[in-house]
Amino acid sequence: EDQVTQSPEALRLQEGESSSLNCSYTVSGLRGLFWYRQDPGKGPEFLFTLYSAGEEKEKERLKATLTKKESFLHITAPKPEDSATYLCAVQAWPSGSARQLTFGSGTQLTVLP
Amino acid sequence: DSGVTQTPKHLITATGQRVTLRCSPRSGDLSVYWYQQSLDQGLQFLIQYYNGEERAKGNILERFSAQQFPDLHSELNLSSLELGDSALYFCASSVEGGTDTGELFFGEGSRLTVL
Repeated sequence: EDQVTQSPEALRLQEGESSSLNCSYTVSGLRGLFWYRQDPGKGPEFLFTLYSAGEEKEKERLKATLTKKESFLHITAPKPEDSATYLCAVQAWPSGSARQLTFGSGTQLTVLP
Repeated sequence: DSGVTQTPKHLITATGQRVTLRCSPRSGDLSVYWYQQSLDQGLQFLIQYYNGEERAKGNILERFSAQQFPDLHSELNLSSLELGDSALYFCASSVEGGTDTGELFFGEGSRLTVL
């Protein structure tokens, strides 16, 4: 059974204080690893897709990396508007085009001004 | 705005009742997914439809059913409701094939409260 574990559950940072969120996964065969951001009362919003170990993606202050067992979401010099819950999800083979994603429980990030 | 529309946004009902949640996918997206988000279970995949046909099934209870209509909108029917069915129900749609990034576009969800 596919499993995704995110840590920490919650993280409070001062504005400008860089940190990393962790996503450990167990999957029979990884087709893709996804990071989403979810604001309170909203649906998840796509951030990145990573497909193979060693791959990195960047977007503004966020950088996602992938190894064979885990992914990290690095947040550089965060701002209060980066406060949200960050969700990690995996898609396993042989799901074809079905996005039957297995989500982690998320890391709730709070960035204080 | 993801382009995915869900109604109603909030729904309060009693145990044993039946409700229908509606979803309109982004223009051009043929796939619709339903996910349930509860405090103790996180986001759980329920079911996927592609161009009117069921494509994949996840942890969907027998009391729940879904369908996708010719105009591509989808409905999730929840019956014989129990307290534990209280959750946020999300619909998502996606592009398939081509330059597909694997991205899912989520609606804002329907919050169901069963009393």
